[in-house]
Amino acid sequence: GENVEQHPSTLSVQEGDSAVIKCTYSDSASNYFPWYKQELGKRPQLIIDIRSNVGEKKDQRIAVTLNKTAKHFSLHITETQPEDSAVYFCAASNPLGGQGAQKLVFGQGTRLTINP
Amino acid sequence: DTAVSQTPKYLVTQMGNDKSIKCEQNLGHDTMYWYKQDSKKFLKIMFSYNNKELIINETVPNRFSPKSPDKAHLNLHINSLELGDSAVYFCASSRALGQGYYEQYFGPGTRLTVT
Repeated sequence: GENVEQHPSTLSVQEGDSAVIKCTYSDSASNYFPWYKQELGKRPQLIIDIRSNVGEKKDQRIAVTLNKTAKHFSLHITETQPEDSAVYFCAASNPLGGQGAQKLVFGQGTRLTINP
Repeated sequence: DTAVSQTPKYLVTQMGNDKSIKCEQNLGHDTMYWYKQDSKKFLKIMFSYNNKELIINETVPNRFSPKSPDKAHLNLHINSLELGDSAVYFCASSRALGQGYYEQYFGPGTRLTVT
């Protein structure tokens, strides 16, 4: 089955600097790669996703890149702000052969701290 | 509010008891999920239902039994609770994006503490 490795487990950056979180996956059939942000005591929230037919996607200060050959994808946050502090999870999935559900396999999470 | 909701938010119970967690979504999604987040924050899927049909059933003790009375509701019943069941349980539902892609939205979670 799919296995997702996420690094680093903790990341501390100065406000205004960039942060990069990296994930690798094992199943070449995976075709959808979402990123979730989870603040303390809250639910995971989808912040950006990328499909396997796309190499890069941007949404304001966040971007995700995908290297299908290397089975590697990354989250980039620029101009970090204190409210970016949270745990970030990457995930990989494939659509289970059209059964109407999607099995997300999550990475271990990265605790990002933005220092003012 | 359109959302995924769960009850209760907190559940404290003793070992050996049986308890249920309820989930409802008013987003019109066809598919719902249960996830377990352990003390190390690791998120793992447990079950998924599509339009009341069980689609995903991961390696979970059979003390855990999901039930979906309709596509807007997915409940989780846990028998003979054990200390290791203490975790945050998240319900989620997914929106089909076409071409086999889905976006998943999570509920607020239920923190279960077994003493």
